[in-house]
Amino acid sequence: GESVGLHLPTLSVQEGDNSIINCAYSNSASDYFIWYKQESGKGPQFIIDIRSNMDKRQGQRVTVLLNKTVKHLSLQIAATQPGDSAVYFCAETGAWGSARQLTFGSGTQLTVLP
Amino acid sequence: EAGVAQSPRYKIIEKRQSVAFWCNPISGHATLYWYQQILGQGPKLLIQFQNNGVVDDSQLPKDRFSAERLKGVDSTLKIQPAKLEDSAVYLCASSLGGAGERDEQFFGPGTRLTVL
Repeated sequence: GESVGLHLPTLSVQEGDNSIINCAYSNSASDYFIWYKQESGKGPQFIIDIRSNMDKRQGQRVTVLLNKTVKHLSLQIAATQPGDSAVYFCAETGAWGSARQLTFGSGTQLTVLP
Repeated sequence: EAGVAQSPRYKIIEKRQSVAFWCNPISGHATLYWYQQILGQGPKLLIQFQNNGVVDDSQLPKDRFSAERLKGVDSTLKIQPAKLEDSAVYLCASSLGGAGERDEQFFGPGTRLTVL
């Protein structure tokens, strides 16, 4: 069936380095993608999103890249900080707009080393 | 702005018992979602409400799970009877539900259920 998956379950980076978290998806009809950050004991928190008509979007210290040809999504975090340690999920939906149902990947645990 | 509230935060029950979770969405949010998040996995949508109507409950195990949002605001999710595999974090999320907009979902802290 349709799914959203991540390449690596864990990622460790040194404080100050850049982090890259990858995600593959299988649904060609996916129109909208979101990255969420989930800290221990908390619900997922929106980081950045991108629509399928774009291939790059930048936020504060974060960049999302979308490659529709290979159905690949990545989240880049610049100058990773200890507060970035969390599980990161990509999620996708087939439709932009209301009544959006998200399909989440299984997550990557990012650990920032001092 | 107050976020999505959920209670209880933790619940431990024995299998075959019943349990209920409560969610209070962000004020003014028309759409409410319940997700199940098993340890080590991403959240999985169980049911979606638009005001007090069900939009999608295709992944809700209806033989044991039920949910309601009678007045279009608060919602409850019930499991009766619980099984061991129901051990998970149950997340509630809400969104404005406006057409043609980003319609960002805001998540509550979740209720961690342990079934023994």
